Amino acid sequence: AQSVTQLGSHVSVSEGALVLLRCNYSSSVPPYLFWYVQYPNQGLQLLLKYTTGATLVKGINGFEAEFKKSETSFHLTKPSAHMSDAAEYFCAVSEGGGGFKTIFGAGTRLFVKA
Amino acid sequence: SAVISQKPSRDICQRGTSLTIQCQVDSQVTMMFWYRQQPGQSLTLIATANQGSEATYESGFVIDKFPISRPNLTFSTLTVSNMSPEDSSIYLCSVDEGQETQYFGPGTRLLVL
Repeated sequence: AQSVTQLGSHVSVSEGALVLLRCNYSSSVPPYLFWYVQYPNQGLQLLLKYTTGATLVKGINGFEAEFKKSETSFHLTKPSAHMSDAAEYFCAVSEGGGGFKTIFGAGTRLFVKA
Repeated sequence: SAVISQKPSRDICQRGTSLTIQCQVDSQVTMMFWYRQQPGQSLTLIATANQGSEATYESGFVIDKFPISRPNLTFSTLTVSNMSPEDSSIYLCSVDEGQETQYFGPGTRLLVL
């Protein structure tokens, strides 16, 4: 069975500082991994995804994530936080293969201080 | 990516009533999904809706409470029946656009009094 653990329900950074949101997963098969962002009063927007190939994936708004199989991790980073990055971030895992069973993490709320 | 709209965007309802939420996609898609996001929580899949077949419900969700229609490849509805305050949530529809990547609508914010 799949599972996703996001470490830290709240993360606070200063504007211009590094953003690091942690995600660990469990999957019995090679996973598909996703990060979604949810701004206030909006739906979820895909930030980036890993399916196969290059383990460092780049997404929108300057975010990137690295798939580390040995650590079962898929942490999200951004070199320099902007006020507009304040939102809820969800890590998700899917087994692929057409099973369409995506499991979402509990979410991490990112606060950006001026 | 597909553009997804939902109606209504928000509503306040009385307990015991029902609300039907509409999800419209600007392109034809095979699989649509309905999620519930309770206050301060993550997403929980309610059901998967394929055109031309009965929706597949996840554990804890039943058709009598959450009937779903999928009349064509661009549209689906979710009804929340006989509502109680515990049904107050954000309801999101999504579509799969390949590689199990989902794109979400803006959500319907429901408050049940």
